[in-house]
Amino acid sequence: DIQMTQSPSSLSASVGDTITITCQASQDINIFLNWYQLKPGKAPKLLIYDVSSLETGVPSRFSGSGSGTHFSFTISSLQPEDFATYSCQQYYNVPYTFGLGTKVEIK
Amino acid sequence: QVQLQESGPGLVKPSETLSLTCNVSTGSIRNYWWGWIRLPPGKGLEWIGSIYSSGNTNYNPSLKSRVTISLDISRNQFSLKLISVTAVDTAVYYCARGFYGTHFDYWGQGSLVTVSS
Repeated sequence: DIQMTQSPSSLSASVGDTITITCQASQDINIFLNWYQLKPGKAPKLLIYDVSSLETGVPSRFSGSGSGTHFSFTISSLQPEDFATYSCQQYYNVPYTFGLGTKVEIK
Repeated sequence: QVQLQESGPGLVKPSETLSLTCNVSTGSIRNYWWGWIRLPPGKGLEWIGSIYSSGNTNYNPSLKSRVTISLDISRNQFSLKLISVTAVDTAVYYCARGFYGTHFDYWGQGSLVTVSS
């Protein structure tokens, strides 16, 4: 299985801050990487697919980059509704695997 | 907007079978992959398996011996069965639509299943 190492596991930030989360794959996954937002009691939300493509309706303050084994996810100008957990996912091969998640909390 | 909703028992006894159904509304089940993903407490998401509308399936090898995913096109539903459950199977179970086997673009709100006697 491809291991996805996500960091940090949590961070504290303020509204208006810019944050970056990284995800490292245990082998080359090309650009087959997605990012999701998770909130308790709500359906997870796809934010970015194929490393950097923004899902329809997702604000442009969310962005992603990388290729191969190193990837990053950035939220520019954090908004109150962005405090949540974020998780990366590879689909280079089965089984699809996810990072352990990064919890973004209000400072 | 595709909507998915999980349903099933919230409590399952150890050694018994966990059964969940996902109802897909506002959209056809045809020509897509449909998957089950779970979130154990304090852990990351785990892909359980997926099924295409033709009936082809892919399962996580770590669960393959215990999992069956099936679908009912006439009811626009797909289902998960996990046999011989233990406490480690306690999790929020999500159903989701897989976009041509790449990303999961629509998800249900999740169903908490606790395995306990």
